[in-house]
Amino acid sequence: NAGVTQTPKFQVLKTGQSMTLQCAQDMNHNSMYWYRQDPGMGLRLIYYSASEGTTDKGEVPNGYNVSRLNKREFSLRLESAAPSQTSVYFCASNPGLAFYNEQFFGPGTRLTVL
Amino acid sequence: GNSVTQMEGPVTLSEEAFLTINCTYTATGYPSLFWYVQYPGEGLQLLLKATKADDKGSNKGFEATYRKETTSFHLEKGSVQVSDSAVYFCALLTGGTSYGKLTFGQGTILTVHP
Repeated sequence: NAGVTQTPKFQVLKTGQSMTLQCAQDMNHNSMYWYRQDPGMGLRLIYYSASEGTTDKGEVPNGYNVSRLNKREFSLRLESAAPSQTSVYFCASNPGLAFYNEQFFGPGTRLTVL
Repeated sequence: GNSVTQMEGPVTLSEEAFLTINCTYTATGYPSLFWYVQYPGEGLQLLLKATKADDKGSNKGFEATYRKETTSFHLEKGSVQVSDSAVYFCALLTGGTSYGKLTFGQGTILTVHP
């Protein structure tokens, strides 16, 4: 089991460029999440997908879009990157339904927007 | 809404010292409480959890007790090691339509010196 995998690990963008962060899990989990981590602010939820075919906004969704491609994969897209989106992005998953007690995190993507 | 407040860091200790990291919360409903740890360059890992009042979560020598009367979940370890150097996050989760969404504190950086 690889758990939760994320690509790429590092990325540098110029303002206005677009990119997609990829996330996949091999644990047959129903729910998946995207967070951003900024110094002194903990992790903040960007979007989540409670189950395949559904997505919903979290605390800080502006400037992002997501796609739940299938049960395994949940991608995060920046259409027009801004310096304020410089952050570390984490994907997470959990079994969902009655089993919300633990989230499993990927290793993160460190994004810098110049 | 839900919120988590952690003790300000960073915290610097000598090996074998006693560790306390304070965590208090506000929540609608009856949350589950978690401590996650992030080692340098890695994603978050679940350290321990408690799902009801007076539960004690424990793992790797760390402990935390769910105190409903004081809305707290303080993390303690009797004798820290250099390998405990990491960022520690307190988090809560409420059930129902929260779909497993975690609310995180801001994180506390712990550095342990030999």
